[in-house]
This record gives sequence, structure tokens and C-alpha cells, in this order.
Amino acid sequence: GENVEQHPSTLSVQEGDSAVIKCTYSDSASNYFPWYKQELGKGPQLIIDIRSNVGEKKDQRIAVTLNKTAKHFSLHITETQPEDSAVYFCAATAREGGADGLTFGKGTHLIIQP
Amino acid sequence: DTAVSQTPKYLVTQMGNDKSIKCEQNLGHDTMYWYKQDSKKFLKIMFSYNNKELIINETVPNRFSPKSPDKAHLNLHINSLELGDSAVYFCASSQRAGGGELFFGEGSRLTVL
Repeated sequence: GENVEQHPSTLSVQEGDSAVIKCTYSDSASNYFPWYKQELGKGPQLIIDIRSNVGEKKDQRIAVTLNKTAKHFSLHITETQPEDSAVYFCAATAREGGADGLTFGKGTHLIIQP
Repeated sequence: DTAVSQTPKYLVTQMGNDKSIKCEQNLGHDTMYWYKQDSKKFLKIMFSYNNKELIINETVPNRFSPKSPDKAHLNLHINSLELGDSAVYFCASSQRAGGGELFFGEGSRLTVL
């Protein structure tokens, strides 16, 4: 089955700086890579996703890049703000959206220092 | 209106008891899931149902039994609770099997004493 590794487990950045979270996956058949944000006491919420036919996707301050050859993908957050503090999960699946279920990374606790 | 709602939000119980967590979605989605999040925040799928039929059953003890009375509801019943069952359990739904975004409920924190 799929195995997703995520780094770092904790990331502390100054407000206004950029944050980068990296993930690798094992199953070359995986073709859908979403990122979820989980705020304290809440369920995870999709913030951005990328499919295997695309190398990069951007949505305002958030961008995701995918390197299929190396089997890794990354989340980039620019101009970080206090409300970006949360746990971020990457995920992968070979069948988009979850008939087989998403395999999640272990999460990154992002801390934005004022 | 809450899209995916779970009850109860908190559940504290003794070892050996049986408990249930209920989940309902009002999004009209075909597929529903249960995920378990342990103390280290690791999210792992337990079950997936599509139109009331089980399509994923990961390696989960058979003390856990999901029930889907209709496609808007997926309940989780746990027998003979153990200390290791303590976790946050998340219900989620997606439009269809293989269909994009997962919508999560707010979680049910189960504490077994």
C-alpha cells in the first residue's frame, strides 16, 4: 500500500516569513495529492490539492509543487499570518478522493511566531 | 447548517464498556468514512462506505463495527473498549467513491479509563 512521509513534524517561523512542508510517497500509481489544515479542536479541512498531470498549483499565499519522478510534493505558504498556525497534513491516493481512502502523512505542526 | 456532524463530541467511559458514535452528513454525498486520530495526530482510515456498502475495511479489530442505515448516516459501534481505543474519531464524506475532497466532522474524543 501507499506510504507517505512528511517533514518536519514541527515548524516554527516568524510572522511574514515563508513556510515549506515536504512529503514523499511510495506508490508510483498515486495521482492525487491533497493538503489538509487542522485547527485546534476541528476536523481537517482541504486547503489545496494537485493532480499528477500538473507540476505546480497556486492559490493566493499557498502553493503546492509535485515532482513525480522523485515522488515528492511540497506545500509552500508565503507571508505567513497568525491564523496559519495549525497542523497540516499531506495525503496521497491512487484513486482520487478516497474510494481506497487517503493515506495521510503524520502531520506538521506549524507555529507562526508574532 | 453543519455539513458533517458527529455525536457525541466527548465520550469518557470505562474499559470493557460498549459505546457508539453517530455521524450524519447533509451534503448528499455517496461515500462516508471513519478515521482514527491518535495522540500523535496520526490520521488513519478505518472504514469506507459507498451508498451503504462497505468498500474499505482496514486492519481494525472486529470490536469495531460500522453501520450505515442510509447513505447520509454512518455510525461506529465499539465493543469491549480498551485503553488503546482512546483517540479522536473523525467521520468524513466525499461526493462519490474516487471523488475529490473529503469533508470532515469535528471529531469525537473517546477516552477509555
